[in-house]
This record gives sequence, C-alpha cells and structure tokens, in this order.
Amino acid sequence: KNEVEQSPQNLTAQEGEFITINCSYSVGISALHWLQQHPGGGIVSLFMLSSGKKKHGRLIATINIQEKHSSLHITASHPRDSAVYICAVRGNQFYFGTGTSLTVIP
Amino acid sequence: EPEVTQTPSHQVTQMGQEVILRCVPISNHLYFYWYRQILGQKVEFLVSFYNNEISEKSEIFDDQFSVERPDGSNFTLKIRSTKLEDSAMYFCASSGLLTSYEQYFGPGTRLTVT
Repeated sequence: KNEVEQSPQNLTAQEGEFITINCSYSVGISALHWLQQHPGGGIVSLFMLSSGKKKHGRLIATINIQEKHSSLHITASHPRDSAVYICAVRGNQFYFGTGTSLTVIP
Repeated sequence: EPEVTQTPSHQVTQMGQEVILRCVPISNHLYFYWYRQILGQKVEFLVSFYNNEISEKSEIFDDQFSVERPDGSNFTLKIRSTKLEDSAMYFCASSGLLTSYEQYFGPGTRLTVT
C-alpha cells in the first residue's frame, strides 16, 4: 500500500520547458515536503507546505488539502534541474513517494 | 551555511556485526531523524527523536535498531546485529523548533553488509 503516489515516474523535457510533477496522498497530514535527490544521492529539501502555494526562484509548489494533492512546477527548466524529485508527507510518521526522475535535455 | 554531517560516508561490515552510524545535526535544531534508502527503492522513515527520546518510529525500526544523542552534538543510529537486508544508504536529518519545519539532510552513509 502506497500512502504517497507520484506521477509521472520518469520525465524527459527540453531545456526551457515548463514541468509539472504531481503527488497524491491517502493519509491525513500536517505537512508535505518536496525533496530533490541528486544523482550522487544527496537530498535537499525544496519546500515544506501545509497549505496554499510557495515559490522559490523557478520552483513553485502548491497543495490542495481537500483533494490530498500537491504539484511541483519548474519554470524555464534547465539541465541542472535533472534529478529525482520526491514527495513526502508528515502523517503519524513520514511517508515517501517513489520519486519522479527528471532529465532536462539541452 | 550550517549543514548536517554524517560519518562514515561508507561502512562495510560483516553480517552479525554491530555498526554505529554517526550524525552531527545543525547546532540549534531540536528534532532529529533517521531514514534509509535501499538501492533503487524509495526513502523510508526509521525514527524521529526529540528531547532525548524517540517521538515516532516506523515498523522497520525494530529491536535491532537504537538511537542515542550521547552528547550535545552527535546523534547516532546503532544496528546491533546487521543483516544483508540492512545494506542501504542511511540519511540523518534535523529540523528546528517544530516538526513541521523544513528538514536538513546529511549526505548519507552507505552501509554495505557482506
């Protein structure tokens, strides 16, 4: 049973394209995290959301608590955005999605 | 910029041996976490720690695992008798005053059990 589902699993985009990664969850949460995992394995926290929308540079994250859904958008994608993007939720413990592997081609 | 550090970066051990993975969280953080990621699989939550005690743990975190904050700076994960299936990347993370605060992850320790 996957408490967190992400789509798509894999995504290839041309440089400059607008990218959307989706996350749906089935448990009650107090917060949702978007994480970026680099090819070397390191994990960086991008956003922590409990409602609404956050923006940081070219990244935008939104959450709809009623629909139990969040999206991560990347505007003007760049090859350095190539990474695995992971959605994680804070319920009674932390649940992670399987990640979306993004490749941005120059 | 403050960061979470972990040692060692790679640990190789024989099945049945005890291992201790070490983490130094960001100095003014109060919540500490351990996660693991088996190669090719998703990240899994192991345990969270606050005020010198475990606040949550997953079903993975059985009696073979323990955590400790032996001094004011280190946070350790001990696996008492390692199994082959414990081979994974282990990530430590820390966050500030509230559990909903953003977490900062360490670079991970790759544990290989032979």
